[in-house]
Amino acid sequence: EVQLLESGGGLVQPGGSLRLSCAASGFTFSSYAMSWVRQAPGKGLEWVSAISGSGGSTYYTDSVKGRFTISRDNSKNTLFLQMNSLRAEDTAVYYCAKSEGSTVTNGVFDYWGQGTLVTVSS
Amino acid sequence: SYVLTQPPSVSVAPGKTARITCGGNNIGNKIVHWYQQKPGQAPVLVIYYDSDRPSGIPERFSGSNSGNTATLTISRVEAGDEADYYCQVWDSSSDHYVFGTGTKVTVL
Repeated sequence: EVQLLESGGGLVQPGGSLRLSCAASGFTFSSYAMSWVRQAPGKGLEWVSAISGSGGSTYYTDSVKGRFTISRDNSKNTLFLQMNSLRAEDTAVYYCAKSEGSTVTNGVFDYWGQGTLVTVSS
Repeated sequence: SYVLTQPPSVSVAPGKTARITCGGNNIGNKIVHWYQQKPGQAPVLVIYYDSDRPSGIPERFSGSNSGNTATLTISRVEAGDEADYYCQVWDSSSDHYVFGTGTKVTVL
C-alpha cells in the first residue's frame, strides 16, 4: 500500500525557514517523480515544485523560485522541501504527491499524503 | 501562464447528472486529470488521461476533452459525491503543472 507521510510544518515568522519532509513507503521511491502541492486556507490547489525520480530535474512555480528547494534522498525514501524567506502568502497545507512515472513532464498525481500545515505569521 | 477556469459551484439533485467544465486555451491538445477533494481530506484522483478511471473509482465518473473545454461528468449523483473537484494539466510552455480554479459540487 502506497503511503506518504508529511512532517515539518508549523508556525514560523515572516522571513524564517522550514524544512518539510515526506516519508514514502509501499512503492519503489526512486522510480517515481514527486511533487509538492499546497492549499491556502479556503482556497484551491496550487502546484509548488516537482522533482524527477533520479532527482536530476527540478521545477518550481514562479512565486517560490529562488526561495524554495526541492530534493530527495532515494536511499531513505524521503522527499524534502526547504522553504526560506517565508511570506504570509506561503501559509497553506502542503501535500506531497506521487506521480505515476519517473519524469515530471505530463504527469498525474496518483497518490497524495494527508498534508502538513505551514503558518507564516508574526 | 496557462489558466484553467472552472465554475465555482454546481448543484445537482440525487440521481441526476453533474457536469463540471474546465476551460483552457486549446485544452483539447493537453492531457487532463481530475481530482476530488472532500472537506479536511487530501485530493483523490478520479479521472486521468482525459477519460480513464483509476481502480476503485465508480463507473459513474467519466471525462472528455475537446477544443477549449474538458468535462468531468458524474452520472447518478449520490450524496457522497459532494466535494470540490479540480482539473489539472501540464503546461509545456512554462514547465509548470496547473490546477483549475475548483468547483464545489453540492447535492441537493
